[in-house]
Amino acid sequence: GAGVSQSPRYKVAKRGQDVALRCDPISGHVSLFWYQQALGQGPEFLTYFQNEAQLDKSGLPSDRFFAERPEGSVSTLKIQRTQQEDSAVYLCASSHLGTLNQPQHFGDGTRLSIL
Amino acid sequence: DAKTTQPNSMESNEEEPVHLPCNHSTISGTDYIHWYRQLPSQGPEYVIHGLTSNVNNRMASLAIAEDRKSSTLILHRATLRDAAVYYCILPNAGKSTFGDGTTLTVKP
Repeated sequence: GAGVSQSPRYKVAKRGQDVALRCDPISGHVSLFWYQQALGQGPEFLTYFQNEAQLDKSGLPSDRFFAERPEGSVSTLKIQRTQQEDSAVYLCASSHLGTLNQPQHFGDGTRLSIL
Repeated sequence: DAKTTQPNSMESNEEEPVHLPCNHSTISGTDYIHWYRQLPSQGPEYVIHGLTSNVNNRMASLAIAEDRKSSTLILHRATLRDAAVYYCILPNAGKSTFGDGTTLTVKP
């Protein structure tokens, strides 16, 4: 069945370039989450949407990071003026409703490398 | 957010049971306990979750202490495919704090 799809799977960019990472959640899932995972560490929360509303963006590390979900389905995470410390795996997850009693379904992530 | 504490690593022999502990002493009454696991180069995979009562599914069992300050994920017969990083989390509305999890090694 169709799970959470992320693209591209790998992205290499030069420092200072802008990048856009796409997430296609499971159809009908209301909630969507972005995480950043550094090598050897657990996922770190970035931001959370319920439909098109961004309810929590407290984990975004700087104002260079921006996420949107304009029609309440597909989401894009944009990073402007990339820095080497932005190199990580970016994970997207979706759930049917909220998180308390609903599992999150994760994509396999986008591995971003900044040269 | 309520935090969880897990051992960094554990080892098990194939086909033996594995008990993965998690401490969450600051858990609130409405916090659910979720477990995920992550294989290399993949996103985390949901394993099981519960609130107060012990839970069973086809993948594992979750035993929750009576005071809810700790829980244990039980894999009844470990296989080599169970080697992964296991995360215990307490989702809070939209935000989930994963920590570094427990790396489970399964020896043949």
